[in-house]
Amino acid sequence: GDSVTQMEGPVTLSEEAFLTINCTYTATGYPSLFWYVQYPGEGLQLLLKATKADDKGSNKGFEATYRKETTSFHLEKGSVQVSDSAVYFCALPNDYKLSFGAGTTVTVRA
Amino acid sequence: DTGVSQDPRHKITKRGQNVTFRCDPISEHNRLYWYRQTLGQGPEFLTYFQNEAQLEKSRLLSDRFSAERPKGSFSTLEIQRTEQGDSAMYLCASSLAGRVRSGANVLTFGAGSRLTVL
Repeated sequence: GDSVTQMEGPVTLSEEAFLTINCTYTATGYPSLFWYVQYPGEGLQLLLKATKADDKGSNKGFEATYRKETTSFHLEKGSVQVSDSAVYFCALPNDYKLSFGAGTTVTVRA
Repeated sequence: DTGVSQDPRHKITKRGQNVTFRCDPISEHNRLYWYRQTLGQGPEFLTYFQNEAQLEKSRLLSDRFSAERPKGSFSTLEIQRTEQGDSAMYLCASSLAGRVRSGANVLTFGAGSRLTVL
């Protein structure tokens, strides 16, 4: 079935550093792709999505571009803040549900 | 709308006991999902409902697990004879019916119910 493979963490950064988290997918056709974020003690929240190839999703300073040539959907942010410390999950649809990557824990130090 | 609510947020139980979790989805959402998340892993699909019908169950959902959504609104997930391996976060999500693949219908998650089996 369709699946995602996500860069393993954890990742520790200083404030204002550049963040990138790699995600590659295996899928039939071109399904939508998603990034979810889970802040400490909370549930998953949709961070951004891209619904077709070459689309760029963006939210809260994060961006990810749906690249069919490299089957990737890497998450990037140019200048992270302490409040970005969280676990980030790449996901794609699998029938009527979502399949998730293993998650990448990001810690941003002041 | 207050989003997806889950109760209890935390449950500590002894091995062999039964536990039940409740999920209240967003009111207009007719799809409801249960996922399990263990430490350091992404959420794993357990089961989903469309209205009151349970349409798919994962192989992860052993005979000790049962989920219901009797009136197509809230749902319960019961684990009988709990084992230490059941310790995990149990996540509920809801969405409108329609194609998830197209991105038109997004899953909204609750905060989860954390189970610890001693």
